Amino acid sequence: GIQVEQSPPDLILQEGANSTLRCNFSDSVNNLQWFHQNPWGQLINLFYIPSGTKQNGRLSATTVATERYSLLYISSSQTTDSGVYFCAVDTGFQKLVFGTGTRLLVSP
Amino acid sequence: ETGVTQSPTHLIKTRGQQVTLRCSSQSGHNTVSWYQQALGQGPQFIFQYYREEENGRGNFPPRFSGLQFPNYSSELNVNALELDDSALYLCASSKTGLNEQFFGPGTRLTVL
Repeated sequence: GIQVEQSPPDLILQEGANSTLRCNFSDSVNNLQWFHQNPWGQLINLFYIPSGTKQNGRLSATTVATERYSLLYISSSQTTDSGVYFCAVDTGFQKLVFGTGTRLLVSP
Repeated sequence: ETGVTQSPTHLIKTRGQQVTLRCSSQSGHNTVSWYQQALGQGPQFIFQYYREEENGRGNFPPRFSGLQFPNYSSELNVNALELDDSALYLCASSKTGLNEQFFGPGTRLTVL
């Protein structure tokens, strides 16, 4: 099956810093989503981005489907950005395969 | 627009028991998927329901079963609970033709 790897696995930032999270996948995908999982377990949709670039406030994402990777950019990080970030891909059957996650801690 | 809801939020069971978890899909969504998230790992796909029938299954044994009702809500049933079934169970809904999935808050199951 498709493999989804995220890097880095852990990231510690000072408030106000910028960061880039990466998601590599091993096969063609129909769908790619980025999620933020808060401390209570809720998966919050950040981006639905099978290709191209999108921006939403301090967050933006780019997926280069031909090269099988996606990037999530977080600018001017805040303590509320802490949590685990997952990318998840769908190869065409609406079955999401999640990556290994990046655990982000933003300190004041 | 109502989001995905799940009940209960927490549940404690003993090994060998059976459990039923419930999910109401987001308004306008007709497809429901269930995921299991063990501690420290990413969610794993269990199965998906569309038009009240199972429409794809991950690598889970038959003691994991489900239902979808005419109003698109869904149940996940787990029989003969094992300690390793302790996890966060997440339900996601989507609309046919639109691939984006939206998740509920989850049910945290502890098996003792």
